[in-house]
Amino acid sequence: DAGVIQSPRHEVTEMGQEVTLRCKPISGHNSLFWYRQTMMRGLELLIYFNNNVPIDDSGMPEDRFSAKMPNASFSTLKIQPSEPRDSAVYFCASSLASSNQPQHFGDGTRLSIL
Amino acid sequence: GENVEQHPSTLSVQEGDSAVIKCTYSDSASNYFPWYKQELGKGPQLIIDIRSNVGEKKDQRIAVTLNKTAKHFSLHITETQPEDSAVYFCAAPVNTDKLIFGTGTRLQVFP
Repeated sequence: DAGVIQSPRHEVTEMGQEVTLRCKPISGHNSLFWYRQTMMRGLELLIYFNNNVPIDDSGMPEDRFSAKMPNASFSTLKIQPSEPRDSAVYFCASSLASSNQPQHFGDGTRLSIL
Repeated sequence: GENVEQHPSTLSVQEGDSAVIKCTYSDSASNYFPWYKQELGKGPQLIIDIRSNVGEKKDQRIAVTLNKTAKHFSLHITETQPEDSAVYFCAAPVNTDKLIFGTGTRLQVFP
């Protein structure tokens, strides 16, 4: 079974550039989550979707961050313009439902903003 | 706000010994408690979870206990092996939908 697939695995870019992270959830899963992991702040939920609809984006740090889910098999997290403090590992996870169900994580995108 | 506290932050044990990691949560409505293992360069992987209708669940060398009154739950790993070395995260739901993760425990098992 294919798990959650994220791309790219690594991204290095200069500050001010637009960054787009991609995620393909597990087929049949209705909920999709974007997390950010840093040493200082640990694993933080940025936004999650149910049935392609954004439910809670209160974790999105600022307007430079946006996320979309145009269909059940694809989501993007975009940062524009990027800043060095955005450097982190970004994870996507999916589950059958948003509550009380195991979340399955991808292997993440390691983002470095120079 | 709602949070999940996890202790210890690091844990070193000898191979064959047991390891225990503890978490407390604040949302009394929480009823699902997963544990994740994260290896270097990988995403967190679910290793065991427990729901509030049971007090303990076991899967081979891994067990989780839950005390809803005290609002804490623990991960127990017995007969530890070097491949158990990783970072372990607990989590609990807030407002019944999103998970809040603990700060992680780095477990090192020495041969």
